[in-house]
Amino acid sequence: DAGVIQSPRHEVTEMGQEVTLRCKPISGHNSLFWYRQTMMRGLELLIYFNNNVPIDDSGMPEDRFSAKMPNASFSTLKIQPSEPRDSAVYFCASSFFGTQNTEAFFGQGTRLTVV
Amino acid sequence: KQEVTQIPAALSVPEGENLVLNCSFTDSAIYNLQWFRQDPGKGLTSLLLIQSSQREQTSGRLNASLDKSSGRSTLYIAASQPGDSATYLCAGGSQGNLIFGKGTKLSVKP
Repeated sequence: DAGVIQSPRHEVTEMGQEVTLRCKPISGHNSLFWYRQTMMRGLELLIYFNNNVPIDDSGMPEDRFSAKMPNASFSTLKIQPSEPRDSAVYFCASSFFGTQNTEAFFGQGTRLTVV
Repeated sequence: KQEVTQIPAALSVPEGENLVLNCSFTDSAIYNLQWFRQDPGKGLTSLLLIQSSQREQTSGRLNASLDKSSGRSTLYIAASQPGDSATYLCAGGSQGNLIFGKGTKLSVKP
């Protein structure tokens, strides 16, 4: 397996524009996580899905953020409209959750800059 | 709600030294504890996973322990090398999620 794949790797956009980040989890994994990393706040869990269903989105900062997982092999994180304070590295991770979680694997991240 | 704390925030040691990184968590109903390494500008690489039924895991020069009753995990690095320089993060999994500490930035001097 190629691991967790995120796209794009880098995104520069103007304030007010819509941004869509994409993630392909590892095949066979049923849990998917979206994180945001900044120097000030570290790694923050934004939302996680289990079997394509959002389980906990309490970390999503505002209504401008939304996430979907239409099938087991694809998820998106959308920011609309984007603001400069959204600039961060966004990571996607996946694992298998049954009676216990297996090892979680991370994608390489998307570095978002909003100007 | 699970909270994960890592101490110290930064650590500098001479090459060859054995060292211990600490991680504490508030929710003892933890499913597992995972240690990661992150190099500057890079993603996270999984180092070790300890399930709640286990006490420790070993991989090469790395040994991680888990004590649920005290809410602590430690990562022991033996015979440190300059290539070990990175930020080390621990993450506690409960209720299916995975919550991270802010990491310990390790610098190993030649």
